[in-house]
Amino acid sequence: DAEITQSPRHKITETGRQVTLACHQTWNHNNMFWYRQDLGHGLRLIHYSYGVQDTNKGEVSDGYSVSRSNTEDLPLTLESAASSQTSVYFCASSEDGDSPLHFGNGTRLTVT
Amino acid sequence: GQSLEQPSEVTAVEGAIVQINCTYQTSGFYGLSWYQQHDGGAPTFLSYNALDGLEETGRFSSFLSRSDSYGYLLLQELQMKDSASYFCAVYGAAGNKLTFGGGTRVLVKP
Repeated sequence: DAEITQSPRHKITETGRQVTLACHQTWNHNNMFWYRQDLGHGLRLIHYSYGVQDTNKGEVSDGYSVSRSNTEDLPLTLESAASSQTSVYFCASSEDGDSPLHFGNGTRLTVT
Repeated sequence: GQSLEQPSEVTAVEGAIVQINCTYQTSGFYGLSWYQQHDGGAPTFLSYNALDGLEETGRFSSFLSRSDSYGYLLLQELQMKDSASYFCAVYGAAGNKLTFGGGTRVLVKP
C-alpha cells in the first residue's frame, strides 16, 4: 500500500543547530506540503512543492527551507533551530488540484 | 490572504447531533474540505465541497454556501470514537494548497 512516512518521530535539538526532517511518499504524488501544528493555531503551511525542482513559501516559511530533487522526498531543514520552532511537523501529499491530502504521522520537534 | 473561523470546542453526548460551523474569507475559492484528527494522530480527510449544497457520507455530512462564505460539518449519531478535532480548510486562488482553520475539539460524553 502507498504511504507517506516521516522521520524521526521525535527529535530534541539545541538552539542554533541545523535540523532536517525527512518526508517520503510512495503515492507518486506531484504535490507535497509541510505544515506545523501548534495549540491554538491549527495547521500552518511552511513550504510546498508542485513537482521536482519546484518549491514555494507558505505562510510561516522564515527559518525553514526545502528541496525537491525527486518525486518521493521533500526534506524540511531548519537552518538554525529556535525555541519558537518547537512544534509538531506534518508532511502531506496530494495527487493534483484539489485532491485530498494524505498526511504522515508527524514529527514532534523540541528545541531547547 | 485567507482566514477561517470555527468554534474552538463542542461537547455532546453519545447519539446526539453536532454541527460545526466554518466561515471563511479568501481572495479566491475552489472548495472547502474537512479533516478529522484524533489526539496524537495525523489529520485524515473527511469531505470536500466545491459546489453549494449538502454532501453525505455515512453519519457525516458537509454543507457549503459559496455566497455566504460558510460551511458546516454535521456529525450524526455521535459515538465515543468521534471525539477528535475537526478542521475546516479552504483551497484558495492557487487551488492546490489548503489553508486550515484553528480546529474544533469535539468531546463526546457517555
